[in-house]
Amino acid sequence: DGGITQSPKYLFRKEGQNVTLSCEQNLNHDAMYWYRQDPGQGLRLIYYSQIVNDFQKGDIAEGYSVSREKKESFPLTVTSAQKNPTAFYLCASSILSGSEAFFGQGTRLTVV
Amino acid sequence: SQQGEEDPQALSIQEGENATMNCSYKTSINNLQWYRQNSGRGLVHLILIRSNEREKHSGRLRVTLDTSKKSSSLLITASRAADTASYFCATDASGAQKLVFGQGTRLTINP
Repeated sequence: DGGITQSPKYLFRKEGQNVTLSCEQNLNHDAMYWYRQDPGQGLRLIYYSQIVNDFQKGDIAEGYSVSREKKESFPLTVTSAQKNPTAFYLCASSILSGSEAFFGQGTRLTVV
Repeated sequence: SQQGEEDPQALSIQEGENATMNCSYKTSINNLQWYRQNSGRGLVHLILIRSNEREKHSGRLRVTLDTSKKSSSLLITASRAADTASYFCATDASGAQKLVFGQGTRLTINP
């Protein structure tokens, strides 16, 4: 059953803590993306990766970090340097950069 | 920076009517895509139109692309209550190798 899986669905973080959001795909896609969505807003690109062991900053990378050690995995760490992390985070993958993207169901992060 | 801007931001119509949403973008593109998002869920790909195409159909969806005006439109015909969702355009800018989304149009179909 192919797809892209994000976990957890809901995540609560205390101020000053780092948290890592998981994104796994078994579609054999080369490209993976992380987006942030605030209420009633569009998607803003955080980081993207075109191939294993390579990734680039998107428009709002400050306060976030990623790794791409395996083709199927692209975890996102929200660090304490991110001042306003409460948002809905979406991971996506595509066979090539810029082609049709498949999205996970998202992780809703709340700072408490 | 947002590459695409959708217009209108919100649209409310009666079931059975047609819905038209527009997207404008800033740079040259390889392709333009439309996605749908139900509240609180991930996005679902609807249709992709390449820069050398002018019109594309998929079921009740019709997409047009005018590269001279850097704009696209999505037409949903014979709307249904189940079409209620947010619709986003996304562009693959030439040379950028990334997918950039607009702000979206929130569509409400009233029964």
